[in-house]
Amino acid sequence: AQTVTQSQPEMSVQEAETVTLSCTYDTSESDYYLFWYKQPPSRQMILVIRQEAYKQQNATENRFSVNFQKAAKSFSLKISDSQLGDAAMYFCAYFGYQFYFGTGTSLTVIP
Amino acid sequence: DVKVTQSSRYLVKRTGEKVFLECVQDMDHENMFWYRQDPGLGLRLIYFSYDVKMKEKGDIPEGYSVSREKKERFSLILESASTNQTSMYLCASSSDSDSNQPQHFGDGTRLSIL
Repeated sequence: AQTVTQSQPEMSVQEAETVTLSCTYDTSESDYYLFWYKQPPSRQMILVIRQEAYKQQNATENRFSVNFQKAAKSFSLKISDSQLGDAAMYFCAYFGYQFYFGTGTSLTVIP
Repeated sequence: DVKVTQSSRYLVKRTGEKVFLECVQDMDHENMFWYRQDPGLGLRLIYFSYDVKMKEKGDIPEGYSVSREKKERFSLILESASTNQTSMYLCASSSDSDSNQPQHFGDGTRLSIL
């Protein structure tokens, strides 16, 4: 079975600084998709960014970007110019036949 | 916007009760999913459905069943609730039209079994 590993249970960042959340995954498939989801406290989980495995170019959505290393099976999320509203639990997810989620990284933004 | 609605935000039930968690989506999505979310364990897939009256087991189906009689509704059933089923339950849906469509999540139901 595919596995998704987030090795950082908690991270913190100073407001306006940059932070990188790590994610690695294990798969034997060549075609799949990767996602980062954000879950603010007591609020709905929402999609932050997605990456197709067949695309070499790293996805970017405003202040959010990824570093996708297919050979290393690594998919990290970089948040630039961190804002207080970025504080949340972040989940990395893999989709081949079905979705697999990591255990999450709790991000604290320090004013 | 896609709307995934879970019938309850908070629910308290007793051990041995039969518990129904309801989920409705309004975007005509083919795929629907039930997860439970526990600290340190992330999201674990319980059951999913790719079509009406169709269901497939996820990673942790024991103690649960599901029902999908209509496309927009996917119900999770705890046949005989136990304390180890106390958890946050998340419903999600996605479209089949594009294989990389992300899942859209409901607000979650925090279930406590006493």
